[in-house]
Order: sequence, then C-alpha cells, then structure tokens
Amino acid sequence: DAGVTQSPTHLIKTRGQHVTLRCSPISGHKSVSWYQQVLGQGPQFIFQYYEKEERGRGNFPDRFSARQFPNYSSELNVNALLLGDSALYLCASSYRDRPTDTQYFGPGTRLTVL
Amino acid sequence: KQEVTQIPAALSVPEGENLVLNCSFTDSAIYNLQWFRQDPGKGLTSLLLIQSSQREQTSGRLNASLDKSSGRSTLYIAASQPGDSATYLCAVWSGSSNTGKLIFGQGTTLQVKP
Repeated sequence: DAGVTQSPTHLIKTRGQHVTLRCSPISGHKSVSWYQQVLGQGPQFIFQYYEKEERGRGNFPDRFSARQFPNYSSELNVNALLLGDSALYLCASSYRDRPTDTQYFGPGTRLTVL
Repeated sequence: KQEVTQIPAALSVPEGENLVLNCSFTDSAIYNLQWFRQDPGKGLTSLLLIQSSQREQTSGRLNASLDKSSGRSTLYIAASQPGDSATYLCAVWSGSSNTGKLIFGQGTTLQVKP
C-alpha cells in the first residue's frame, strides 16, 4: 500500500511569492494534518482537516490556509512568503480524527525562500 | 500550555549498547504519546503509539513506557545498531477526543558507531 505522498519534494521561492503544497493521504484515511518543521526543531502544528472540515488551527498567521478535497487529499497554501517560512512541511494522515489513531507522516516538502 | 522536552539533545554510543531516550511533558492530561524516527531531511516514521490507559508498548528491539502522573516517557533501544542512527522524536496528543494536534519535543539525535 502507498503511504502518504507529498508534492513537490523541493521548492525554491522568493520573498512575497505564493506557494501551494499538496498531500495525498493513505487510502481510506479521512484526516489530514499539516506541520511545519524548522531545521533543528520538532514539527509545529498548522492545520487539521477531517471530512473536508477544518478541525484545528495552530498559531500561524492568516497567510497560511488549507483545504481538503472530496477524495481527502489536501493543499496547504502560503501567501506573501517570508524568509522564515523556509522549512520542511509535513503532512500526516490518519483514519479518523481520534487520538487513538496513529498519525502517518509523508516525506515532506522542503521549501526554501530566498 | 503543553510543552514537551527531550533529553539528551544528542547521544553517541558504540554498537551493541542498550540505551534509553527520555521525554517529558508538562500537562499529564494527554490522550496518547507517540515515538517517531526521522532520518536526515526525511519525513517521520511512527515507531510506537502508547494510549493514555497503557503503560508500555513493544516492537522488536524497541520498548516505550509511559508514566502520565510524572509526565514522562522513555524509549528503550536494545542492542543498538548503526542503522538505528537517526533523530528520535516524541509527541503527545493535545486537545479533545475528536480534534487535536501532536505536540513534539525537539528530538534526540542518536549516533551508533560501528
């Protein structure tokens, strides 16, 4: 079975630009979460979606937005990029939105903002 | 506010040694605790998930324990191998039963020398 997939693998943008990151969950999983991992730190929660509804949002500015599609895939959008947005962006999927369900992470998208 | 701390930040051991990684959290009201492995520049691989009602979980050479009352978890790795070299992250589920997020520690970077 395919795991969580993310695209693109790497991305280089300049300040002020916009970026869209994509995530496909494990087949049958309905919950997708997004995390930002700055070098040397643990991942920080950005969003959780379940059944196409936003279930949680971390302490990130409104420049960050996301959505989940009917096939449960998800997009993370970041507007007006800043140098500090450079990070590894991780997507995680789980069967439901319950803490009893293991979170499975994708390989991440490495975003570099110049 | 839940905070997760991992000590030590880095660890270097000779092959074959048994070792313990530590994780502490400030709020004992957690739903579960999960241990992950991360190879350089890669995503997270789930190792063990301990529900709040459980005391430990085992998988192969790995054993994780959870003591909610003291806010601590340990990951025990038996007979370490060079292939175990990676960063190990612990995370607690913070929130409610149907919405929440993982809060991560900063990780322990393990090097196992041949």
